[in-house]
Amino acid sequence: DAGITQSPRHKVTETGTPVTLRCHQTENHRYMYWYRQDPGHGLRLIHYSYGVKDTDKGEVSDGYSVSRSKTEDFLLTLESATSSQTSVYFCAISRGSGEAFFGQGTRLTVV
Amino acid sequence: RKEVEQDPGPFNVPEGATVAFNCTYSNSASQSFFWYRQDCRKEPKLLMSVYSSGNEDGRFTAQLNRASQYISLLIRDSKLSDSATYLCVVTRTSYDKVIFGPGTSLSVIP
Repeated sequence: DAGITQSPRHKVTETGTPVTLRCHQTENHRYMYWYRQDPGHGLRLIHYSYGVKDTDKGEVSDGYSVSRSKTEDFLLTLESATSSQTSVYFCAISRGSGEAFFGQGTRLTVV
Repeated sequence: RKEVEQDPGPFNVPEGATVAFNCTYSNSASQSFFWYRQDCRKEPKLLMSVYSSGNEDGRFTAQLNRASQYISLLIRDSKLSDSATYLCVVTRTSYDKVIFGPGTSLSVIP
């Protein structure tokens, strides 16, 4: 399996609180992605990174920010969590070309 | 129009049946295509790449039709273990973001 880990794996938080999810890789892949997955919507891209300090928005980036200060870590932050951000969050890594490897996901519940 | 679209299904097929999924993409400049499989509550995993000439891996065949802008996945002799959601992936270049289709749900029934 690709060396990619997400933390935490599960989290329950209250509306309005900040939340940070971490994605860590040991593969030295250039590209890293954050997706969310909700019933009826499939995987939707939140943000992605194509290098240290190089990030860009995906289709559902509102309410989220990211940072990548090291090749191996890609952080996703919900500045002020809302119930609509309750979801399963997947991180993925890729060398390029579309072949991606996923972390096991983080289940976030905002109450 | 979304960049990548799939019939969400569900497709319910008996064991041993042949089933086919299509995935359409809107950007004619797309260059790389893949099929992923996702089991319930698990992360997606790469099933196979889709080459211009088509490719086969055991019971699975993937094809690309650039003129009509779709890719297909054919599963022959379906097994119970094939039950999953199948996601197509399209990228425009090696340096572009990876866009997933919404997925097609398959249930193979005894």
